[in-house]
Amino acid sequence: LAKTTQPISMDSYEGQEVNITCSHNNIATNDYITWYQQFPSQGPRFIIQGYKTKVTNEVASLFIPADRKSSTLSLPRVSLSDTAVYYCLVGSGNKLVFGAGTILRVKS
Amino acid sequence: DSGVTQTPKHLITATGQRVTLRCSPRSGDLSVYWYQQSLDQGLQFLIQYYNGEERAKGNILERFSAQQFPDLHSELNLSSLELGDSALYFCASSTRFESYEQYFGPGTRLTVT
Repeated sequence: LAKTTQPISMDSYEGQEVNITCSHNNIATNDYITWYQQFPSQGPRFIIQGYKTKVTNEVASLFIPADRKSSTLSLPRVSLSDTAVYYCLVGSGNKLVFGAGTILRVKS
Repeated sequence: DSGVTQTPKHLITATGQRVTLRCSPRSGDLSVYWYQQSLDQGLQFLIQYYNGEERAKGNILERFSAQQFPDLHSELNLSSLELGDSALYFCASSTRFESYEQYFGPGTRLTVT
């Protein structure tokens, strides 16, 4: 089972780029890496998913090095509304493991 | 709004009781996942159903069970409840059998007293 480690919290200012890293040293060959955002009293919301290299969508980028033992979620030009908890999810099949979450606080 | 609905929103019950949580997936999604979120254990995967059949089982206790009905809604049954079962229970749905692009419902907050 992949074990995931994320920073507990991060602070940023509006307009900055934020990078949140998740470590998953024992990731398995079939495992995917997915990132979710969660606001208080809401369910997690899908941000981005990848298997290797780089994936980009309209809200974020996901960087995965060749050894896949970590991944970095990149949020360009954050705003106050990006203040939330961010989770990485690693796994496949019945082995799905969420990280403990990173609290991102965006200040003005 | 993810399109996933869960009822009830809140549930308060006593130890030893049994409850049923209900989930309706997004229109067209065949896969339903159940998760538990608590302060001490974080988000934990419980079980997945795809088109009515159990497909993957995670950290689900034997006291818990689930099913997915022909109309694709799903129910999570929790029995012999303990104080430690107090948590937020989320269901999520996805289009494909093995997809981690999941759409989460608003959750059911269970309090066991």
